[in-house]
Amino acid sequence: GENVEQHPSTLSVQEGDSAVIKCTYSDSASNYFPWYKQELGKRPQLIIDIRSNVGEKKDQRIAVTLNKTAKHFSLHITETQPEDSAVYFCAVEIQGAQKLVFGQGTRLTINP
Amino acid sequence: DTGVSQDPRHKITKRGQNVTFRCDPISEHNRLYWYRQTLGQGPEFLTYFQNEAQLEKSRLLSDRFSAERPKGSFSTLEIQRTEQGDSAMYLCASSPGHYNEQFFGPGTRLTVL
Repeated sequence: GENVEQHPSTLSVQEGDSAVIKCTYSDSASNYFPWYKQELGKRPQLIIDIRSNVGEKKDQRIAVTLNKTAKHFSLHITETQPEDSAVYFCAVEIQGAQKLVFGQGTRLTINP
Repeated sequence: DTGVSQDPRHKITKRGQNVTFRCDPISEHNRLYWYRQTLGQGPEFLTYFQNEAQLEKSRLLSDRFSAERPKGSFSTLEIQRTEQGDSAMYLCASSPGHYNEQFFGPGTRLTVL
């Protein structure tokens, strides 16, 4: 089945710096790649997603890049703020199965 | 609130008891998913409905678990003869079907004593 690896597991950056989280996947047929942010005790919140027909998507301080050849995609957060502190999960939609397979999560801490 | 809702938010039960959770998806979303999340892990897929049809079940869903979506609107997830290993956050998500986006509810945290 699909295998999604997410790195790093923890990331600490200074406020205002950039943060990058990477995920790799195994099924080359996958074509939908969302990112979720989960604050402590709260629901996973969809923050950005990308489909396989584009290589990059940006929404204000958040961007996602996709390399289908290498089977990896990354989340980029610029000008980080304390409210960006959370656990971030990447996910991959299994082709034809409609379900998401999630990475292990990255705990991002923004230091003031 | 027009988002996905789940009830109850917390459930504490004794081993061997049956529990039932409810999920109300976003209005007009025809796809509904159940996931389970344990501490420090990402959500794991359990089962998925398109309208009232249950189209896929994970091997994680033992015969003690059953899910229904009788009229293609809300869904219930029942766990019979609960075990301590069932303790987790049970998350529901819905999707409009035309696109892939899945929107999650707040979850039901189950604790089995």
